[in-house]
This record gives sequence, structure tokens and C-alpha cells, in this order.
Amino acid sequence: EDKVVQSPLSLVVHEGDTVTLNCSYEVTNFRSLLWYKQEKKAPTFLFMLTSSGIEKKSGRLSSILDKKELFSILNITATQTGDSAVYLCAVINYQLIWGAGTKLIIKP
Amino acid sequence: GAGVSQSPSNKVTEKGKDVELRCDPISGHTALYWYRQSLGQGLEFLIYFQGNSAPDKSGLPSDRFSAERTGGSVSTLTIQRTQQEDSAVYLCASIFTPDRMNTEAFFGQGTRLTVV
Repeated sequence: EDKVVQSPLSLVVHEGDTVTLNCSYEVTNFRSLLWYKQEKKAPTFLFMLTSSGIEKKSGRLSSILDKKELFSILNITATQTGDSAVYLCAVINYQLIWGAGTKLIIKP
Repeated sequence: GAGVSQSPSNKVTEKGKDVELRCDPISGHTALYWYRQSLGQGLEFLIYFQGNSAPDKSGLPSDRFSAERTGGSVSTLTIQRTQQEDSAVYLCASIFTPDRMNTEAFFGQGTRLTVV
């Protein structure tokens, strides 16, 4: 059965800390891995990763995929209270398979 | 339009009434998903449309739920005889595969359904 597992389920850190969120997967016919940030209603797209070992960056966020070990990490440096959200990982084969998310709380 | 559009953004309905939720996907995107998310829960798959193929309805929770996609574009999710447990945010995602190696998925802003 295809599955995506995120860890930790929740994380509380102080502003300025660096966090690493994990996403591991066991999915047949892997095509892409996606990271989303969900604050209110709809998830907001962050990154799409298709190739192993190529880091994608956007400001203080970065992500990388390891297709040999079947995982991805999402790094957030110099965290701010506005980074507080649920971070979702999804893998696409012929459908979207979602992890349960990591709830990140940044304390001032 | 530039993104996935869902309407209405909020809907309050009385128990037992029918509701229709609409999703306008990104033009040219071939696949469309409906999800719902109850308070504090993860994304629950409902139905998946891919091109002209028969939709994957395996996630629909009951026969009160149905969805269609007209002309390979706009989709409507219909909930008949709504129940309080149907209260959730209903999300539509539009999928695009530009090449064999890449797939993009973008969400609409969702419809918050409240059944009172």
C-alpha cells in the first residue's frame, strides 16, 4: 500500500531557531514530491521535487529529495512566528498521496 | 484565470438541504481532485477526474455525495440531504503534467461548508 509518513507530527520552537521537517514515502511509480504550507483553508504550494539531490530554495525555506532512501526534508532557517502552520508533504504517482502533516508552532 | 477558483468561499446550510460546490481548474490542467478537511483533520480524498476516463469515486463517503466534471473543465460537487458531519472545508486541486517527469498540483481556496 502506498504511504507517505511525516515526522514529527508537531513541533514547537522559538523564533530564530532552524527546523527540519521530514517526509518519507513508499509509493509505486513515483513522479514528484510536493511540499505545502497550510495556514487557514487551502494549502499553499512551496516546492516540487522530482530529481534526487537537487536542493530547491525559496528565501529561508529549502528542500531536498533523496530517491534512494525515499525521503525528503524541508528546512526553515531563522524561523518567524509567521512560519507557524501545518506543513504537508504529498507524493504523486497517478494520484496524490498525502502525509498527515507536521504542525509547526513558532513561539516569539 | 490564473489559479484554481472555488465558489462559494463560505456556505452555511440547514441540515437536510442540498448544496453544490464549484471548482474552476486551471485551463489546460487535465486532472482534478476533490478533498475535504474537517477541523483538525488531514486531507480526505473524495474523487479524482483524469481526462475523459471514468472518475475514481472511491473516496466519496456516502451516496449523498456526487461530482461531475463538464467538458473536462469545471467540476461540481453535490451533497444531498446535508448532515452536520458534512461540515468541513472542501478543497479542489488542479493537476498539470508538463512532461513525463514533472507534475504540478495547485489548490483552490476552498469552500467552508457549515451545516446547522
